[in-house]
Amino acid sequence: DTGVSQDPRHKITKRGQNVTFRCDPISEHNRLYWYRQTLGQGPEFLTYFQNEAQLEKSRLLSDRFSAERPKGSFSTLEIQRTEQGDSAMYLCASSPGRSSPLHFGNGTRLTVT
Amino acid sequence: AQSVAQPEDQVNVAEGNPLTVKCTYSVSGNPYLFWYVQYPNRGLQFLLKYITGDNLVKGSYGFEAEFNKSQTSFHLKKPSALVSDSALYFCAVRDPQGQTGANNLFFGTGTRLTVIP
Repeated sequence: DTGVSQDPRHKITKRGQNVTFRCDPISEHNRLYWYRQTLGQGPEFLTYFQNEAQLEKSRLLSDRFSAERPKGSFSTLEIQRTEQGDSAMYLCASSPGRSSPLHFGNGTRLTVT
Repeated sequence: AQSVAQPEDQVNVAEGNPLTVKCTYSVSGNPYLFWYVQYPNRGLQFLLKYITGDNLVKGSYGFEAEFNKSQTSFHLKKPSALVSDSALYFCAVRDPQGQTGANNLFFGTGTRLTVIP
């Protein structure tokens, strides 16, 4: 169990640029989640994959956000035309089943200037 | 819709004293409940969960939590606090019978625990 890995740890970008984050879940975990966390708040659900299928997507998620999990293993989260309000910690988590806890990575901290 | 409330933003306790971090929830069915801890610039670490069975569940680092269905609460407790317990604690709920959001966790806003030496 090598844990959930996220890359990069930090990303600074200028407003309007596109960014992409990568998440490698724990192997054989078929469920993968993306959350966003801002300072002083709890993690906010963004989207959920079971294997390669994106089964849930938050209604709060802007059309500028897109996520993929092409082979049911790693996942990417892309934000197009970044805005300052996108500045946050983006957390990835994986889980082997519905009653199992989520295992979180250390996150990618995005700063939009 | 499911929701979680952590009524205290901050809890201070002296080292060696018992600690309690409060959590209440709202779901349509029987909840799955979780506690996580977060250290600065890190992801969340799982502490314990309640799915079914005994209302008192024990978890990592000496923490435990009691599920109380009538009060819809799931308070986190520890008999004797350590300075190293100082961190941000999150309660989370999943409503597996919910029409939406049945597969993900909804988190509270967190409680910052400070253990004073």
